[in-house]
Amino acid sequence: LAKTTQPPSMEAYEGQEVNVSCSHTNIATSEYIYWYRQVPHQGPQFIIQGYKDYVVNEVASLFISADRKLSTLSLPWVSLRDAAVYYCIVTGDSGYNKLTFGKGTVLLVSP
Amino acid sequence: EAAVTQSPRNKVAVTGGKVTLSCNQTNNHNNMYWYRQDTGHGLRLIHYSYGAGSTEKGDIPDGYKASRPSQENFSLILELATPSQTSVYFCASGDAWDRQNTLYFGAGTRLSVL
Repeated sequence: LAKTTQPPSMEAYEGQEVNVSCSHTNIATSEYIYWYRQVPHQGPQFIIQGYKDYVVNEVASLFISADRKLSTLSLPWVSLRDAAVYYCIVTGDSGYNKLTFGKGTVLLVSP
Repeated sequence: EAAVTQSPRNKVAVTGGKVTLSCNQTNNHNNMYWYRQDTGHGLRLIHYSYGAGSTEKGDIPDGYKASRPSQENFSLILELATPSQTSVYFCASGDAWDRQNTLYFGAGTRLSVL
């Protein structure tokens, strides 16, 4: 399994766009990149998944570098509700693959 | 919306006692997982299951057993609880055929072993 490296914390103001980076230098060709987030007192929740290039959904967008060693989760117009721990996970795209959560990135949002 | 329910939500146990944490999912998912979360760590996988009757060891299985009597239910058992097992435990379910590999988590069980 590829190891991921994320910044331990980030700060933003409401209304800003936030970009959370994740380095996965040993990612295998069979592996995908997943992002989850966890708000206090709840379990993690899936945000987005990608393999290469650019992926977007109603919650966030994900940019993956051409060599796939770096990905960036972009959250447009953050609000206080986006304050959470964001986890970047790299694993295969099968339900038989385990998800290993690191320490994630703590996003603090101020009014 | 996928639903995973954990019980109890909070539990205080004594050292050496037996503790059973329960998890029920109504998603008809094949896979279920137990994680624990401690300050300074991410979620760590304890046990998981690919279906009724199956259990597999995760990354930190020592001191824990798991039981999957049915598709819907997955239990985590601490036969002899120790203070080091004080933690927040999360159960999750996932569809084995889901290419997005999405897991759905319960709200967690906060366990204190005194």
